[in-house]
Amino acid sequence: NAGVMQNPRHLVRRRGQEARLRCSPMKGHSHVYWYRQLPEEGLKFMVYLQKENIIDESGMPKERFSAEFPKEGPSILRIQQVVRGDSAAYFCASSGLIDTQYFGPGTRLTVL
Amino acid sequence: DAKTTQPPSMDCAEGRAANLPCNHSTISGNEYVYWYRQIHSQGPQYIIHGLKNNETNEMASLIITEDRKSSTLILPHATLRDTAVYYCIVRVGDSGGSNYKLTFGKGTLLTVNP
Repeated sequence: NAGVMQNPRHLVRRRGQEARLRCSPMKGHSHVYWYRQLPEEGLKFMVYLQKENIIDESGMPKERFSAEFPKEGPSILRIQQVVRGDSAAYFCASSGLIDTQYFGPGTRLTVL
Repeated sequence: DAKTTQPPSMDCAEGRAANLPCNHSTISGNEYVYWYRQIHSQGPQYIIHGLKNNETNEMASLIITEDRKSSTLILPHATLRDTAVYYCIVRVGDSGGSNYKLTFGKGTLLTVNP
């Protein structure tokens, strides 16, 4: 059974570019969560999505960040006009309905 | 904010049992205790969870006190690969409210020594 998959694993962007992070949930899971881990800090909730719906984006920065989980395909976390402060590890998790969340390996974003 | 308290670090000898404590004195009746670990910046790995009864799986055992105010994660035979940060998290188990959010504190850095 494939677990949660994220790609790319490492992403380098220059300031002002766009970053797109992808997450494919575990088979049978329709709930996706994104968390961010800044250097030397704990994981912080960003957004919770179900297919074609954003349920809770209370942890997302107000600007430049967006997320989607289309009917077909992976969930996408998009960061526009990246700044150095966006450098972090971004983890995706998936679950069944209010069930145990299983995490992917993460995408490490470095902004130069 | 995390509603749990864990020691910042612990050491354990390889092959010995590692007992990681967690205090959750304000836990509610419908809140579960979850344990995850993060090995050197990898994605958090689910270990085990429980409500009030002790639980055991292939990775670990979870002992919850009768008053549910604290718990202990037990790794019966720790190996070097168990070196990680261990997070104790409480969350509601039903579908109401915003209980899907996992709140990660600082966890316990367990170092298994040869």
